[in-house]
Amino acid sequence: GAVVSQHPSRVICKSGTSVKIECRSLDFQATTMFWYRQFPKQSLMLMATSNEGSKATYEQGVEKDKFLINHASLTLSTLTVTSAHPEDSSFYICSASASRGGVAYNEQFFGPGTRLTVL
Amino acid sequence: AQSVTQPDIHITVSEGASLELRCNYSYGATPYLFWYVQSPGQGLQLLLKYFSGDTLVQGIKGFEAEFKRSQSSFNLRKPSVHWSDAAEYFCAVGERNSWGKLQFGAGTQVVVTP
Repeated sequence: GAVVSQHPSRVICKSGTSVKIECRSLDFQATTMFWYRQFPKQSLMLMATSNEGSKATYEQGVEKDKFLINHASLTLSTLTVTSAHPEDSSFYICSASASRGGVAYNEQFFGPGTRLTVL
Repeated sequence: AQSVTQPDIHITVSEGASLELRCNYSYGATPYLFWYVQSPGQGLQLLLKYFSGDTLVQGIKGFEAEFKRSQSSFNLRKPSVHWSDAAEYFCAVGERNSWGKLQFGAGTQVVVTP
Protein backbone atom coordinates (compact mmCIF):
# COMPACT_ATOMS: atom_id res chain seq x y z
CA GLY A 1 0.00 0.00 0.00
CA ALA A 2 0.83 3.72 0.00
CA VAL A 3 2.10 3.94 -3.56
CA VAL A 4 2.72 7.27 -5.25
CA SER A 5 3.26 7.55 -8.97
CA GLN A 6 4.61 10.37 -11.08
CA HIS A 7 4.17 11.01 -14.76
CA PRO A 8 6.18 11.49 -16.83
CA SER A 9 9.34 9.97 -15.42
CA ARG A 10 11.45 11.96 -17.83
CA VAL A 11 10.71 14.96 -20.03
CA ILE A 12 12.78 17.08 -22.37
CA CYS A 13 11.36 20.35 -23.57
CA LYS A 14 12.37 23.50 -25.35
CA SER A 15 12.99 26.72 -23.52
CA GLY A 16 9.84 28.79 -23.20
CA THR A 17 7.40 25.90 -23.17
CA SER A 18 5.37 24.68 -20.20
CA VAL A 19 5.58 21.24 -18.70
CA LYS A 20 3.04 19.51 -16.49
CA ILE A 21 4.02 16.81 -14.02
CA GLU A 22 1.38 14.63 -12.39
CA CYS A 23 1.57 13.07 -8.97
CA ARG A 24 -0.96 10.43 -7.98
CA SER A 25 -1.60 8.50 -4.82
CA LEU A 26 -2.71 5.11 -6.09
CA ASP A 27 -4.17 3.38 -3.07
CA PHE A 28 -4.82 6.03 -0.47
CA GLN A 29 -6.24 9.48 -0.08
CA ALA A 30 -3.63 12.19 0.06
CA THR A 31 -4.90 15.17 1.95
CA THR A 32 -1.57 16.87 1.53
CA MET A 33 0.98 16.60 -1.23
CA PHE A 34 4.46 18.06 -1.34
CA TRP A 35 6.67 19.02 -4.22
CA TYR A 36 10.44 18.90 -3.97
CA ARG A 37 13.25 19.83 -6.24
CA GLN A 38 16.57 18.06 -6.19
CA PHE A 39 19.70 19.25 -7.92
CA PRO A 40 22.43 16.75 -8.81
CA LYS A 41 24.17 15.37 -5.76
CA GLN A 42 22.17 17.62 -3.45
CA SER A 43 19.36 17.22 -1.00
CA LEU A 44 15.67 17.66 -1.57
CA MET A 45 14.41 21.19 -1.30
CA LEU A 46 10.75 21.63 -0.49
CA MET A 47 9.07 23.83 -3.04
CA ALA A 48 5.48 23.84 -1.92
CA THR A 49 2.81 22.13 0.10
CA SER A 50 -0.60 21.58 -1.42
CA ASN A 51 -3.80 20.65 0.31
CA GLU A 52 -6.71 19.27 -1.63
CA GLY A 53 -9.10 21.99 -2.71
CA SER A 54 -7.02 24.93 -1.54
CA LYS A 55 -4.14 27.01 -2.78
CA ALA A 56 -0.64 25.71 -2.41
CA THR A 57 1.73 27.15 0.15
CA TYR A 58 5.06 27.97 -1.41
CA GLU A 59 8.41 28.02 0.33
CA GLN A 60 10.41 31.20 0.42
CA GLY A 61 12.15 31.89 -2.84
CA VAL A 62 9.89 29.70 -4.98
CA GLU A 63 8.07 31.61 -7.69
CA LYS A 64 4.35 30.92 -7.56
CA ASP A 65 3.79 32.03 -11.13
CA LYS A 66 6.61 29.86 -12.39
CA PHE A 67 5.61 26.70 -10.58
CA LEU A 68 1.86 26.28 -10.68
CA ILE A 69 0.49 23.64 -8.36
CA ASN A 70 -3.00 22.24 -8.48
CA HIS A 71 -4.40 19.69 -6.05
CA ALA A 72 -7.80 19.09 -7.52
CA SER A 73 -8.58 15.78 -5.85
CA LEU A 74 -7.45 13.58 -2.99
CA THR A 75 -5.41 11.47 -5.36
CA LEU A 76 -3.93 13.94 -7.84
CA SER A 77 -1.65 16.94 -7.70
CA THR A 78 0.00 18.59 -10.66
CA LEU A 79 3.04 20.79 -10.97
CA THR A 80 3.28 22.95 -14.07
CA VAL A 81 6.58 24.57 -14.85
CA THR A 82 5.63 27.57 -16.94
CA SER A 83 7.89 29.12 -19.54
CA ALA A 84 10.63 26.69 -18.65
CA HIS A 85 14.26 27.69 -18.95
CA PRO A 86 17.45 25.64 -18.72
CA GLU A 87 17.92 26.63 -15.07
CA ASP A 88 14.62 24.85 -14.31
CA SER A 89 16.20 21.57 -15.30
CA SER A 90 16.12 19.37 -12.24
CA PHE A 91 14.70 16.28 -10.62
CA TYR A 92 11.23 16.97 -9.29
CA ILE A 93 9.83 14.68 -6.64
CA CYS A 94 6.38 14.65 -5.15
CA SER A 95 5.22 13.05 -1.97
CA ALA A 96 1.89 12.48 -0.34
CA SER A 97 0.84 12.46 3.24
CA ALA A 98 -1.80 9.87 3.95
CA SER A 99 -5.03 10.33 5.75
CA ARG A 100 -7.52 7.74 6.76
CA GLY A 101 -10.86 8.37 8.34
CA GLY A 102 -10.00 12.03 8.56
CA VAL A 103 -6.83 11.34 10.56
CA ALA A 104 -3.53 12.53 9.13
CA TYR A 105 -0.47 10.36 9.36
CA ASN A 106 2.85 12.12 9.83
CA GLU A 107 4.59 10.19 7.14
CA GLN A 108 5.24 10.97 3.52
CA PHE A 109 5.23 8.54 0.63
CA PHE A 110 7.40 9.55 -2.26
CA GLY A 111 6.95 9.29 -5.97
CA PRO A 112 9.81 8.07 -8.17
CA GLY A 113 10.55 11.55 -9.47
CA THR A 114 10.52 13.33 -12.82
CA ARG A 115 13.68 14.33 -14.59
CA LEU A 116 13.11 17.62 -16.42
CA THR A 117 15.60 18.80 -18.99
CA VAL A 118 15.05 22.15 -20.63
CA LEU A 119 17.03 22.75 -23.79
CA ALA B 1 16.52 28.02 13.43
CA GLN B 2 15.54 24.45 12.75
CA SER B 3 18.16 22.37 11.01
CA VAL B 4 19.19 18.86 10.10
CA THR B 5 22.86 18.03 9.79
CA GLN B 6 24.48 15.03 8.20
CA PRO B 7 28.18 15.65 8.88
CA ASP B 8 29.46 13.05 6.44
CA ILE B 9 29.02 13.88 2.78
CA HIS B 10 30.66 10.72 1.58
CA ILE B 11 31.49 7.39 3.24
CA THR B 12 33.33 4.44 1.76
CA VAL B 13 32.89 1.09 3.43
CA SER B 14 33.97 -2.44 2.59
CA GLU B 15 31.35 -5.04 1.90
CA GLY B 16 30.61 -6.92 5.09
CA ALA B 17 31.83 -4.12 7.32
CA SER B 18 29.59 -2.15 9.62
CA LEU B 19 28.14 1.21 8.67
CA GLU B 20 27.06 4.17 10.74
CA LEU B 21 25.61 7.36 9.30
CA ARG B 22 25.27 10.38 11.53
CA CYS B 23 22.34 12.73 11.80
CA ASN B 24 21.90 15.63 14.18
CA TYR B 25 18.96 17.95 14.40
CA SER B 26 18.10 21.23 15.99
CA TYR B 27 14.43 21.63 16.74
CA GLY B 28 12.38 23.21 19.46
CA ALA B 29 10.77 19.94 20.43
CA THR B 30 11.40 16.32 19.60
CA PRO B 31 10.43 15.98 15.98
CA TYR B 32 9.48 12.95 14.00
CA LEU B 33 12.66 11.39 12.56
CA PHE B 34 13.17 9.49 9.36
CA TRP B 35 15.88 7.86 7.31
CA TYR B 36 15.41 7.50 3.56
CA VAL B 37 17.54 5.86 0.91
CA GLN B 38 17.76 7.00 -2.69
CA SER B 39 19.30 4.92 -5.43
CA PRO B 40 20.52 6.71 -8.57
CA GLY B 41 17.66 8.31 -10.47
CA GLN B 42 15.10 6.92 -8.07
CA GLY B 43 12.69 8.32 -5.57
CA LEU B 44 13.09 7.95 -1.87
CA GLN B 45 12.43 4.78 0.06
CA LEU B 46 11.72 4.92 3.75
CA LEU B 47 14.15 2.83 5.79
CA LEU B 48 12.76 3.58 9.22
CA LYS B 49 11.11 6.21 11.34
CA TYR B 50 10.85 7.30 14.95
CA PHE B 51 7.73 8.87 16.36
CA SER B 52 7.86 7.88 20.02
CA GLY B 53 8.54 4.94 22.31
CA ASP B 54 11.53 2.66 22.04
CA THR B 55 14.51 4.74 21.01
CA LEU B 56 16.10 1.92 19.04
CA VAL B 57 14.19 1.56 15.80
CA GLN B 58 14.41 -1.36 13.43
CA GLY B 59 13.92 -0.77 9.75
CA ILE B 60 14.02 -2.55 6.45
CA LYS B 61 17.09 -4.07 4.81
CA GLY B 62 18.73 -4.74 8.17
CA PHE B 63 19.05 -1.09 9.17
CA GLU B 64 18.46 0.30 12.62
CA ALA B 65 18.66 3.76 14.15
CA GLU B 66 18.90 5.06 17.67
CA PHE B 67 17.29 8.25 18.88
CA LYS B 68 19.35 10.00 21.54
CA ARG B 69 17.52 12.98 22.92
CA SER B 70 20.49 14.25 24.91
CA GLN B 71 22.60 14.42 21.78
CA SER B 72 19.81 15.42 19.38
CA SER B 73 20.94 12.60 17.18
CA PHE B 74 19.36 9.84 15.15
CA ASN B 75 22.21 7.78 13.74
CA LEU B 76 21.64 5.00 11.25
CA ARG B 77 23.51 1.72 11.51
CA LYS B 78 23.89 -1.55 9.70
CA PRO B 79 26.07 -4.37 11.09
CA SER B 80 27.15 -5.79 7.73
CA VAL B 81 26.92 -3.83 4.51
CA HIS B 82 26.00 -5.38 1.19
CA TRP B 83 27.05 -4.03 -2.21
CA SER B 84 23.42 -3.16 -2.87
CA ASP B 85 23.51 -0.69 0.02
CA ALA B 86 25.51 1.75 -2.10
CA ALA B 87 23.21 4.76 -2.39
CA GLU B 88 22.46 8.20 -1.02
CA TYR B 89 21.01 8.32 2.46
CA PHE B 90 18.94 11.17 3.79
CA CYS B 91 17.95 11.95 7.32
CA ALA B 92 14.75 13.93 7.63
CA VAL B 93 12.81 15.52 10.44
CA GLY B 94 9.19 16.49 10.59
CA GLU B 95 7.33 18.69 12.98
CA ARG B 96 4.57 17.08 14.93
CA ASN B 97 1.17 18.16 13.73
CA SER B 98 2.58 19.64 10.55
CA TRP B 99 0.77 17.26 8.22
CA GLY B 100 3.98 15.64 7.12
CA LYS B 101 6.18 18.56 6.17
CA LEU B 102 9.78 17.39 6.23
CA GLN B 103 13.19 18.98 6.31
CA PHE B 104 16.00 16.94 4.83
CA GLY B 105 19.66 16.74 5.63
CA ALA B 106 22.22 17.18 2.89
CA GLY B 107 22.60 13.46 2.43
CA THR B 108 25.45 10.97 2.77
CA GLN B 109 26.73 9.13 -0.25
CA VAL B 110 27.70 5.56 0.64
CA VAL B 111 30.14 3.70 -1.57
CA VAL B 112 30.64 -0.01 -0.97
CA THR B 113 33.93 -1.58 -2.03
CA PRO B 114 34.50 -5.31 -2.58
